[in-house]
Amino acid sequence: QVQLVQSGAEVKKPGASVHVSCKASGYNFTGYYMHWVRQAPGQGLEWMGWINPNSGGTNYAQKFQGRVTMTRDTSISTAYMELSSLRSDDTAVYYCARVVYSNYGENLDYWGQGTLVTVSS
Amino acid sequence: DIQMTQSPSSLSASVGDRVTITCRASQSISSHLNWYQQIPGKAPKLLIYAASSLQSGVPSRFSGSGSGTDFTLTISSLQPEDFATYYCQQSYSTPITFGQGTRLEIK
Repeated sequence: QVQLVQSGAEVKKPGASVHVSCKASGYNFTGYYMHWVRQAPGQGLEWMGWINPNSGGTNYAQKFQGRVTMTRDTSISTAYMELSSLRSDDTAVYYCARVVYSNYGENLDYWGQGTLVTVSS
Repeated sequence: DIQMTQSPSSLSASVGDRVTITCRASQSISSHLNWYQQIPGKAPKLLIYAASSLQSGVPSRFSGSGSGTDFTLTISSLQPEDFATYYCQQSYSTPITFGQGTRLEIK
């Protein structure tokens, strides 16, 4: 069965970087784009960008341009999201999610369990 | 960016009720609309894709409709496990955007 297993919770100081991993299993990792979505405490869902695990190509939301880097290691079927220059408002749960395409665009059919990143001095 | 607006923001209902949640896009998105359910402390779960297609494994009491700018998610007969927050999401253009969520609570 498809599974996305993310790395554990992190506590970071303002200005630091965080590195979150997402290990995929149960499907062909390079056959599906991976998106990253975050959710601040008590708030809604915010799209951050995607990575094409086959080519390594990426597309980031403008809000995160210059601060986010998405990479992958196909040998271990793992996607990574690094966010730098952390601020307190980056405190959120970060999710990876697999994308499938229908005739009407992409939808996120499998999600990781989430990684809580807390930014605090 | 395409703005997605859900209504209501919260809703109280009883087991067995029929419930409808609406989602409006700031411009036409054809049928590029998905619905997710999120239980507190859990990841979102895909319910409906392409506005009206039921994701595999999702109970048939969930249905979606609409196209263009106006969409609805209907739960025909609420079950205890349906009390959660629901989000719409457009996939018409990048950036992907979500509605603010509708919290469904037990009356």
